[in-house]
Amino acid sequence: GQQLNQSPQSMFIQEGEDVSMNCTSSSIFNTWLWYKQDPGEGPVLLIALYKAGELTSNGRLTAQFGITRKDSFLNISASIPSDVGIYFCAGLGGYNKLIFGAGTRLAVHP
Amino acid sequence: NAGVTQTPKFQVLKTGQSMTLQCAQDMNHNSMYWYRQDPGMGLRLIYYSASEGTTDKGEVPNGYNVSRLNKREFSLRLESAAPSQTSVYFCASSEARLAGANEQFFGPGTRLTVL
Repeated sequence: GQQLNQSPQSMFIQEGEDVSMNCTSSSIFNTWLWYKQDPGEGPVLLIALYKAGELTSNGRLTAQFGITRKDSFLNISASIPSDVGIYFCAGLGGYNKLIFGAGTRLAVHP
Repeated sequence: NAGVTQTPKFQVLKTGQSMTLQCAQDMNHNSMYWYRQDPGMGLRLIYYSASEGTTDKGEVPNGYNVSRLNKREFSLRLESAAPSQTSVYFCASSEARLAGANEQFFGPGTRLTVL
């Protein structure tokens, strides 16, 4: 079946630093989504990407849909303590089914 | 709008007991989904309902059944709970248009422990 490889698994950074994480797949996706999950909560959609090569920003977050349609990355600039959480990439496959990466756990030290 | 709501928030069961997890959405979405999340893993699809009246298996359907009661509600039933079903369960919904945005929106989750 389809699988996503998300890296890094975890990151420990200082407040103010930039963050980069990515997802790769052996399969092509038509849509890439990036979610953030806070402790005890459900995932919340951050950015949605619909076209190969698309670069989309949401405040300090920027995400890109890879040209090959098999990868995507998410950047967070000037991190702040509330950026702490788990970030998931997800590719939208057949029948609108999402395939999730295992997540990147982000810790921000003030 | 409440978005996607789930009940209960927490549940402890003994092996062999049954229970139903409830999910409702007020966004008039066509599609609804049930996922489970285990430590260190992403969410895995259990069952989904592309539209009212239809349900299909996802990646990990064994031990579960679902009912799409109406457009708003999609329930997940464990007939005979097992410790391997200890997990956090998330319900999600999406508009599921043929083209364009098909983002899924998630509920707050149900934390289930099976002893």
